[in-house]
Amino acid sequence: AQSVTQLGSHVSVSEGALVLLRCNYSSSVPPYLFWYVQYPNQGLQLLLKYTTGATLVKGINGFEAEFKKSETSFHLTKPSAHMSDAAEYFCAVSAVYGQNFVFGPGTRLSVLP
Amino acid sequence: AAGVIQSPRHLIKEKRETATLKCYPIPRHDTVYWYQQGPGQDPQFLISFYEKMQSDKGSIPDRFSAQQFSDYHSELNMSSLELGDSALYFCASSLDPGQGATGELFFGEGSRLTVL
Repeated sequence: AQSVTQLGSHVSVSEGALVLLRCNYSSSVPPYLFWYVQYPNQGLQLLLKYTTGATLVKGINGFEAEFKKSETSFHLTKPSAHMSDAAEYFCAVSAVYGQNFVFGPGTRLSVLP
Repeated sequence: AAGVIQSPRHLIKEKRETATLKCYPIPRHDTVYWYQQGPGQDPQFLISFYEKMQSDKGSIPDRFSAQQFSDYHSELNMSSLELGDSALYFCASSLDPGQGATGELFFGEGSRLTVL
C-alpha cells in the first residue's frame, strides 16, 4: 500500500523567497509521484509528475521537484515565490497507472508581501 | 482542450434527502474516479470505474453508489444524506495505460454539496 506524508500543514514565505514543500512517500513498488495545486474553490491542477527517467522534473509556473529514491522523497521547490502561488499543494503517489492513487494531507502555502 | 465536467457545481440538500452528482470525463478517457474532500481535508478516494466496471473501492459509505455509463459518464448517487456528507466531491478521469498514459488524474472543478 502507498502512503504520503507532507511535513508542514502550513508554510509561509515572503514574495521572492525560495519555496520548499516537503513530501515523503511509502510504496512497495516503484512509485509514480505527482504534485497537484488547488486554488480556493477550484479543482486540483497537475503541477508536475515523476514516472520514470530523469529524477528532476520541471512543471508549470516555475515549480520543480526531485525524486530521491534513497530518501523516499519528492520535495517541491520554486526559486522565487509569487503572490499567485498562494494555494494548497498536494503530493500524491500511485503504484500503477492511477490505481491506488493516494494524496498527502496537503500543505497550504502563504506568500507574504 | 476539453476538461472533466461536473454537475451541478453547487447543491444544497436537507438531511435524509438524496443527491446525484454527474461527471463527464475527458473524451477518450476510460477511467473515472470519485473523491470526497471535506473542509480543510485532503481528497479521499471513494470509488473508480474502468470501462464501465468498478475497478477500485475506497471509503465510500454504503449509502452511496455509483456507476459508469456506456458513454463513459459517471454518476454518484447519495442517499439518506447526513450533515457529515457536506463536502466538495471531485471527479477525475484518466487514460488507459495502453494508450500511452502515465497515470495522472485530470480533475473536474468539483461539486460542492451542502447538507442542512
